[in-house]
Amino acid sequence: AQSVTQLGSHVSVSEGALVLLRCNYSSSVPPYLFWYVQYPNQGLQLLLKYTSAATLVKGINGFEAEFKKSETSFHLTKPSAHMSDAAEYFCAVSDRGNKLVFGAGTILRVKS
Amino acid sequence: SAVISQKPSRDICQRGTSLTIQCQVDSQVTMMFWYRQQPGQSLTLIATANQGSEATYESGFVIDKFPISRPNLTFSTLTVSNMSPEDSSIYLCSVGGGSKDTGELFFGEGSRLTVL
Repeated sequence: AQSVTQLGSHVSVSEGALVLLRCNYSSSVPPYLFWYVQYPNQGLQLLLKYTSAATLVKGINGFEAEFKKSETSFHLTKPSAHMSDAAEYFCAVSDRGNKLVFGAGTILRVKS
Repeated sequence: SAVISQKPSRDICQRGTSLTIQCQVDSQVTMMFWYRQQPGQSLTLIATANQGSEATYESGFVIDKFPISRPNLTFSTLTVSNMSPEDSSIYLCSVGGGSKDTGELFFGEGSRLTVL
């Protein structure tokens, strides 16, 4: 069975600092991996996805993630945090069946 | 990507009552998915709804509690029956997007239910 572990339920960074949100997955087959963002009182928005093409994936709003098979990781990064990045971020894994398994989520706080 | 509309966006309900959530998609889709997000927690898949067949429920979810309808390729409803405070959650409708094989989902804004 697939599973996703997000390290750190809360991450706090200063505006302009590097954002690093960690995600490790477990899957018996080569996975598809996703990062979603949820702003307060909104649904989930797809940030980026890995589907076995390039291991470094670029998404919206300046975010990117790198798939590392040896580490079973798919960490999300952004070089410079902006106040508008404050939200909850979810990592998810799929075995190609459209059935996504989500991590517990990481709340990102950006300090001015 | 699909545009997904959910109604109601939020509601406050009394214990023991039932509420039906509607999900409308702007394009025809084969599968629709209903997720629950309990306060402070992640998303859990309730069921997968295919047009013209019974919904497929995940472990821990049953049809009597969460009946689902899927009358056509653009619409689905989820009913939360005989509600208790533990049912207070965000209920999200989602559909597959992009290439058939890539697996990503697109979500509605969610329906925020508070059960008193």
